[in-house]
Amino acid sequence: DAKTTQPNSMESNEEEPVHLPCNHSTISGTDYIHWYRQLPSQGPEYVIHGLTSNVNNRMASLAIAEDRKSSTLILHRATLRDAAVYYCILIDAGGTSYGKLTFGQGTILTVHP
Amino acid sequence: GAGVSQSPRYKVAKRGQDVALRCDPISGHVSLFWYQQALGQGPEFLTYFQNEAQLDKSGLPSDRFFAERPEGSVSTLKIQRTQQEDSAVYLCASSRFTSLYNSPLHFGNGTRLTVT
Repeated sequence: DAKTTQPNSMESNEEEPVHLPCNHSTISGTDYIHWYRQLPSQGPEYVIHGLTSNVNNRMASLAIAEDRKSSTLILHRATLRDAAVYYCILIDAGGTSYGKLTFGQGTILTVHP
Repeated sequence: GAGVSQSPRYKVAKRGQDVALRCDPISGHVSLFWYQQALGQGPEFLTYFQNEAQLDKSGLPSDRFFAERPEGSVSTLKIQRTQQEDSAVYLCASSRFTSLYNSPLHFGNGTRLTVT
């Protein structure tokens, strides 16, 4: 399975944008890039996903590099509620796999008031 | 709307006891997953159901772990003769579809198991 690499931790101030990077240099053509986050004492929560094009939804934006070897999750205005562990996960759409999620260590995001 | 519900929220067991953890997925969801999350770590895959069929149990750490979903809805994860290393948060997740590459997985808030 293609692996992802994320910084262990990042910090941000409230109401400022946050750019969370993820490297996936061995990504295959059929791997979708997914982001989940986990708030304290809760289960993981889906944030956004994409294949090649940049994606926007009400929670965040996903910027995917042209060669797809890296991506960035963008929180446009961080709030205290965005403090969480953010996971970047690749899910293969090829073959017969049902695409189980394989979590790494993720990035711990701290938001300062 | 109703999300994935897990019970109990907390469970304390003495070493050697059997425990049963329940998961109520979102109604109509075909896929159901169980994950184990140790303190400070990311969740690790345990097992996967598609309706009532258990298609993947490669992540179950030992034969003391058993999961079932007999009617394709509610699922139970059973751990026999619990040991201290079983202490963790057990997460259940469900999805409407059989493939996750283009659809989200919905997680419950987990059951925190502490074995003393």
